[in-house]
Amino acid sequence: AQSVAQPEDQVNVAEGNPLTVKCTYSVSGNPYLFWYVQYPNRGLQFLLKYITGDNLVKGSYGFEAEFNKSQTSFHLKKPSALVSDSALYFCAVRDGIKGNKLVFGAGTILRVKS
Amino acid sequence: EAQVTQNPRYLITVTGKKLTVTCSQNMNHEYMSWYRQDPGLGLRQIYYSMNVEVTDKGDVPEGYKVSRKEKRNFPLILESPSPNQTSLYFCASGIQGMSYTFGSGTRLTVV
Repeated sequence: AQSVAQPEDQVNVAEGNPLTVKCTYSVSGNPYLFWYVQYPNRGLQFLLKYITGDNLVKGSYGFEAEFNKSQTSFHLKKPSALVSDSALYFCAVRDGIKGNKLVFGAGTILRVKS
Repeated sequence: EAQVTQNPRYLITVTGKKLTVTCSQNMNHEYMSWYRQDPGLGLRQIYYSMNVEVTDKGDVPEGYKVSRKEKRNFPLILESPSPNQTSLYFCASGIQGMSYTFGSGTRLTVV
């Protein structure tokens, strides 16, 4: 079965420093991978996706993610964190077998301190 | 504006009192889905629909019903809510397997 692991419940980073939010996945077949962000009292907002092509995917708000097939990872990165990036981040993988649903990780809280 | 609209945003109800959470999308998407979000568990799929009159169970369907009579609407029905259904619910629509658009969420408390 498809699964996603986000090994860190919370990531703390100082404003201006680079940030990484980790994600590893398990799928059968080609992975379709996604990152979503959830701000307090808001719905999920799409950040970026990997379907095929370049391993480095660029998305919204300056975020990017690196797909690594050998390590089955899809880590979210940003070169310089902003306080406004503080939110809950979800990694997800498409389950092509079960109605194309998205299988989500448990989420990682990102706290950026000024 | 392309969006998924859920109502209500907040709901407190008592055990056993039937309720419906509405979901509507204006993007002509065939695929719609309901998720619940619980701390430490991420989002789990309740039901999904691939088109009008086509629905199927997700991972946690017990205690829920859905219907898809029109393409734009996908209501979530709790016939007899119980406290373990206290959660944050999200409706989503999109093109199957691609990036989905999520509603703003419905926070349900069952007492």
